[in-house]
Amino acid sequence: DQQVKQNSPSLSVQEGRISILNCDYTNSMFDYFLWYKKYPAEGPTFLISISSIKDKNEDGRFTVFLNKSAKHLSLHIVPSQPGDSAVYFCAAKDGGSQGNLIFGKGTKLSVKP
Amino acid sequence: EAGVVQSPRYKIIEKKQPVAFWCNPISGHNTLYWYRQNLGQGPELLIRYENEEAVDDSQLPKDRFSAERLKGVDSTLKIQPAELGDSAVYLCASSLRTNLGNEQFFGPGTRLTVL
Repeated sequence: DQQVKQNSPSLSVQEGRISILNCDYTNSMFDYFLWYKKYPAEGPTFLISISSIKDKNEDGRFTVFLNKSAKHLSLHIVPSQPGDSAVYFCAAKDGGSQGNLIFGKGTKLSVKP
Repeated sequence: EAGVVQSPRYKIIEKKQPVAFWCNPISGHNTLYWYRQNLGQGPELLIRYENEEAVDDSQLPKDRFSAERLKGVDSTLKIQPAELGDSAVYLCASSLRTNLGNEQFFGPGTRLTVL
């Protein structure tokens, strides 16, 4: 059973508009969440993270929101740029175990000029 | 600063053949991870090293997969013999330490195709 779920395989957004990528999780022991971005033929690169004691973390155009009661987090990109087109992975770290990351299946974002 | 280096980038082999992947982590990173990423899926952890010790290999299929990190720096992941279902991208990642929320840095991966 998937512990980290990204239910939208793809998302298409116009340049300049907001991109919202969603992620749900089932394990209440997760204490740290990360977003990774992946271009074709490259490894995932770290984008932004949030601790479970916070509900928002912002870094430039990227903001991650965490709703612990709903076991839901989202990544907002404002404004979206064509260079943001990539696959975005949500990952969660289980503080109760050895801290390994559990990844979702990813959402492919396409930002159209 | 150099990132995580992996080789080869691509490998095509016949089933039942052996194959090995090599990874050199970022200098100073004592934690090293091997992941497998199947098509349309996220990365899944195979094994995690703290220095030269494999501290979590619970997801490594030990009948055909093996890994080593003898000097606590670079690492090799081996499959012998390879099966059709092993076709995937094998990613190596490294981080400073495990349980402090330190981000993992990934290499470009090795795309394995088993025919």
